[in-house]
Amino acid sequence: AQSVTQPDIHITVSEGASLELRCNYSYGATPYLFWYVQSPGQGLQLLLKYFSGDTLVQGIKGFEAEFKRSQSSFNLRKPSVHWSDAAEYFCAVYTGGFKTIFGAGTRLFVKA
Amino acid sequence: GAVVSQHPSWVICKSGTSVKIECRSLDFQATTMFWYRQFPKQSLMLMATSNEGSKATYEQGVEKDKFLINHASLTLSTLTVTSAHPEDSSFYICSARGAGGPYEQYFGPGTRLTVT
Repeated sequence: AQSVTQPDIHITVSEGASLELRCNYSYGATPYLFWYVQSPGQGLQLLLKYFSGDTLVQGIKGFEAEFKRSQSSFNLRKPSVHWSDAAEYFCAVYTGGFKTIFGAGTRLFVKA
Repeated sequence: GAVVSQHPSWVICKSGTSVKIECRSLDFQATTMFWYRQFPKQSLMLMATSNEGSKATYEQGVEKDKFLINHASLTLSTLTVTSAHPEDSSFYICSARGAGGPYEQYFGPGTRLTVT
C-alpha cells in the first residue's frame, strides 16, 4: 500500500543548529515527493519537490532534501535553524489520479 | 503566483445550521480542487476532489450529503457543511491544481470551523 511515514512526531533543536526531518515512503513507481510547512492556523506552503534528476533538491528558506531510492527516503535538512522555522512539516508523495498522500507531520520546536 | 484564498478564515455556527466555505484560485485557473480536513495535531485527510463542471468525487467514509462541494468555475469551489454538528468542528483546507501538471497543489490558508 502507498504510504508516507514521518517517524518523529516532534523534534526540538537549538537555534543555529542543524536539522534533519525524516521521511520514508512506500510507492511502487517513481515517486513525486514534496515537503510542505504549516504554521499554526495556516495552510500548507511548498518547501521543495522532487520529480526526477538530481537527487539533492534545494528549496525555499534554506531547506534542502535528498532522495534516496535505495532507502525509500526523502529527508529534509537545514544547516542552521532559525526561530521562525518552528512549525509543522509534512512530507507527501503524489500517488497518481491527482491524489497526494501526506505523512502525519513532524512538529519542529526551536529553542533559544 | 499560484495563490489560493479561502473565506472565511474562521467561522462559528450553531448546531443544525449550514455553513459555506469558499476556495478561490486568484491568479490561475484551477482545473481540479481538493478539500481536506485536518484534526488538531494530525495530518490532512482528503475529503473530496472536484473538477470544474463535474460532480465531486468523495473519499470513502465522507458523507456527500453532508459535505456538499460545488466547483462551478475554474476559480471557485465551495464546501457547504450541512446540518453541522460539534463533531464537524475542524480545520478545512482547500487546494487547487492548475493546468501545468497533476503533481503540484497550491493550498489555501484554511478555515477553522467551530460548531457549538
